[in-house]
Amino acid sequence: NAGVMQNPRHLVRRRGQEARLRCSPMKGHSHVYWYRQLPEEGLKFMVYLQKENIIDESGMPKERFSAEFPKEGPSILRIQQVVRGDSAAYFCASSPQPQGLTYEQYFGPGTRLTVT
Amino acid sequence: GESVGLHLPTLSVQEGDNSIINCAYSNSASDYFIWYKQESGKGPQFIIDIRSNMDKRQGQRVTVLLNKTVKHLSLQIAATQPGDSAVYFCAELRDDKIIFGKGTRLHILP
Repeated sequence: NAGVMQNPRHLVRRRGQEARLRCSPMKGHSHVYWYRQLPEEGLKFMVYLQKENIIDESGMPKERFSAEFPKEGPSILRIQQVVRGDSAAYFCASSPQPQGLTYEQYFGPGTRLTVT
Repeated sequence: GESVGLHLPTLSVQEGDNSIINCAYSNSASDYFIWYKQESGKGPQFIIDIRSNMDKRQGQRVTVLLNKTVKHLSLQIAATQPGDSAVYFCAELRDDKIIFGKGTRLHILP
């Protein structure tokens, strides 16, 4: 069973361009989460999605950022008109329907975005 | 703001010794905590979790202790190995969101 996959692993964009980050959850997982990590910092929650639904986007900047998790295909985190402050590692995690006494999100390897 | 944090940004431990990484939280209603390990260039990896109705939980070479009175938890790694070198995060699950602290970098001395 393949783990959470993210691509690209590294992405370089000039200021003003768009960045599209993709996440394929583990097989059978219908919950996807996006996090952002600045250097020497912990991960910050951005958005929680289920298939075709945004459940919680309280960590998403109000402008330029959007996320989707379509019925078919990967989840996409989209950043429009990128600025230097968007440079960070973006991690995706997935989970099955939470149940029982153990709750676990499985993280992908991340996409490292550099804005020049 | 964050509700979990770590006491030390860096910890150096001799190979073979035990490591103890500490974490404090502020929300007394928090009921589920997770420790993650993040190696360089990789995503966080689940190590162990604990619910607030427990004081201690053990895994393979790792133990998590929870002290609800002082809102403190710790991760103990027995017989630390070079492969344990990483950044360790304590985290809290809240409303299906994982809230991470800043992390402690564990250095293993030969």
